[in-house]
Amino acid sequence: EPEVTQTPSHQVTQMGQEVILRCVPISNHLYFYWYRQILGQKVEFLVSFYNNEISEKSEIFDDQFSVERPDGSNFTLKIRSTKLEDSAMYFCASRDYDRNYGYTFGSGTRLTVV
Amino acid sequence: AQSVTQLDSQVPVFEEAPVELRCNYSSSVSVYLFWYVQYPNQGLQLLLKYLSGSTLVKGINGFEAEFNKSQTSFHLRKPSVHISDTAEYFCAVSDTASKLTFGTGTRLQVTL
Repeated sequence: EPEVTQTPSHQVTQMGQEVILRCVPISNHLYFYWYRQILGQKVEFLVSFYNNEISEKSEIFDDQFSVERPDGSNFTLKIRSTKLEDSAMYFCASRDYDRNYGYTFGSGTRLTVV
Repeated sequence: AQSVTQLDSQVPVFEEAPVELRCNYSSSVSVYLFWYVQYPNQGLQLLLKYLSGSTLVKGINGFEAEFNKSQTSFHLRKPSVHISDTAEYFCAVSDTASKLTFGTGTRLQVTL
C-alpha cells in the first residue's frame, strides 16, 4: 500500500535554529498538508498546499513557517527560528483528487526544541 | 466553522467487552466524518470514514461507526475489544475537499 514518508523521525534542535521537516507524499496525490500535535493535545491543522501554492493556512502558520515542493516529489516544512513551543509531532498528509477523501498520513517527525 | 467534541478523554474496558467512543460534531454544511487511530509512537491510521450513503460504516479491525445527522454524532463501536486495540482514537470532520478538524482524542485502554 502506498505510504507517506517523513524524515527524520526525530529531530532535536536548539532554540532559534532553523529546521526543515521533509515529506514524500504519495506520488499521484495532489493535495498536501502539514498538521502538528503538541504532546497530549489534539492534532491541529497547519497548512494545505495545492498546485504549488498554499490553499489554506491556520493561525498557527505564521511568518516563521513556510512550505515548499522543491522537486515534484518532496514536500517540506521549514521553521525559520524555532521556539520551545514548536516542540511537537509534525504530520504530513496527502490526498488524491478523487472525492473519496483518501487522506494518508505519514508516521510523523517528533521535533524537540531545547 | 466546524468543530468536533470527543466527550471521553479516557475509556477503560476489559478485553472482549464492547466499547463505544463518542464523537459529536458541529458544522454549518454537509460534512465528511472520519475516525483515526494512533498507536503509541506511531502516526495516524484511518479506521473508517463516512462520505455519503449508508449511515453505518464499517472499518478495519472490526470497528464500525454510525452517522446520525439529527444528533450530529458519529460514535465508534466495537463489539469485542482486544488488548491490541489500546490506542488513542481521533474523530475528525471535513466540510469540503479541505483540511480535517480533529477532536481532542479518546484514549482506549484495554485490560485483561
